[in-house]
Amino acid sequence: QVQLVQSGAEVKKPGASVKVSCKASGYTFTSYAIHWMRQAPGQRLEWMGWINAANGNTKYSQKFQGRVTITRDTSASTAYMELSSLRSEDTAMYYCARERIAARSYYMDVWGRGTTVTVSS
Amino acid sequence: SSELTQDPAVSVALGQTVRITCQGDSLRSYFATWYQQKPGQTPVLVIYHRNNRPSGIPDRFSGSSSGNTASLTITGAQAEDEADYYCHSRDSSGNHVFGTGTKVTVL
Repeated sequence: QVQLVQSGAEVKKPGASVKVSCKASGYTFTSYAIHWMRQAPGQRLEWMGWINAANGNTKYSQKFQGRVTITRDTSASTAYMELSSLRSEDTAMYYCARERIAARSYYMDVWGRGTTVTVSS
Repeated sequence: SSELTQDPAVSVALGQTVRITCQGDSLRSYFATWYQQKPGQTPVLVIYHRNNRPSGIPDRFSGSSSGNTASLTITGAQAEDEADYYCHSRDSSGNHVFGTGTKVTVL
């Protein structure tokens, strides 16, 4: 079945970087974009950016511009999200999701189970 | 950047109907998508492309839109519908945005 499997929980110190992976299976990886979101404890979902899995083009939320890098490895059917200069406010659950498009409608039909990132000194 | 505004919380009696709204300029150009998220769980797609439900989503969930407002309606709410609901849209710049979220309580 179609699924996105994310890497395990991370604990990082302030100022460090974290790289989270999202491995796709059950479909042609390059046929769909992958988005990254995060959700701090008790807070709303927050969109971070997306990558065109076919050509590697990316777009980032202005909030994370300069700190986030989304890449992909087509041979491994895996997308990656790297966030640098971590601070305590980056403690959150990080999700990847597959994008679908249907005439003026963009939606995410398959989600990874999330990766907990804790930033603590 | 675009924003999507939702009421923070609504409550509904078991078996009754509740409507959740989402407002934002991007909804004039793009349809809203709706996700359900229960505590400690991953968001689940419930409505996409105006009023389509993925397989497995009960037909008591429906969507509609008008102008800059999208709505999710639960007709005959069940106890298992108690969750947070988020709307989502793309904007004309290619950015995506999630709504502020609505907590639905079933009484």
